[in-house]
Amino acid sequence: QQQVKQSPQSLIVQKGGISIINCAYENTAFDYFPWYQQFPGKGPALLIAIRPDVSEKKEGRFTISFNKSAKQFSLHIMDSQPGDSATYFCAASLHHRKLIWGLGTSLAVNP
Amino acid sequence: DTAVSQTPKYLVTQMGNDKSIKCEQNLGHDTMYWYKQDSKKFLKIMFSYNNKELIINETVPNRFSPKSPDKAHLNLHINSLELGDSAVYFCASSQSSGQRIPYEQYFGPGTRLTVT
Repeated sequence: QQQVKQSPQSLIVQKGGISIINCAYENTAFDYFPWYQQFPGKGPALLIAIRPDVSEKKEGRFTISFNKSAKQFSLHIMDSQPGDSATYFCAASLHHRKLIWGLGTSLAVNP
Repeated sequence: DTAVSQTPKYLVTQMGNDKSIKCEQNLGHDTMYWYKQDSKKFLKIMFSYNNKELIINETVPNRFSPKSPDKAHLNLHINSLELGDSAVYFCASSQSSGQRIPYEQYFGPGTRLTVT
């Protein structure tokens, strides 16, 4: 019930392509859904977040799509660049008490 | 200026030893966290302090003891280190409203602990 299932585990995309990472959850009590980006040797950093009453949020080349009825949300990276190569984590906030993290997706963007 | 800093960055030690990791944040936040990231990149919350009060204490062996001397510092002491403790430990901070944990957390650079 408290899990956030993230897929794929790894992803290889060509430069200029679209990267798509998916997450699914069961607990309807989750109240925020952030995505974090982690570069090698660094800590995770907040990338973008969405509330469950919003279906889409866009910031630059990064878009979260949220499907409340399907209990799924996804991160789309448009025009993917080699500099986007990193590990991406979806997460869910539970009652504003803690974050439940997905297992991460390692993205490699080939030049 | 470093927002969340940790020392040391690397720690190599033998089984059975006791070690500490220090964390400091200069963001003025009132909540700090310790996370463990294993070799498969899985992030696991260990502890959280809000205004020096322990508010999250996940299922962590008693060998791990956090200490928060003030709002800007959160240290992690580990007794009797085991091989399975090898991981990257991240400190993070956030500004909370009461004890509501926000989704926006600021992470330090991590401490890579290797137990041999």
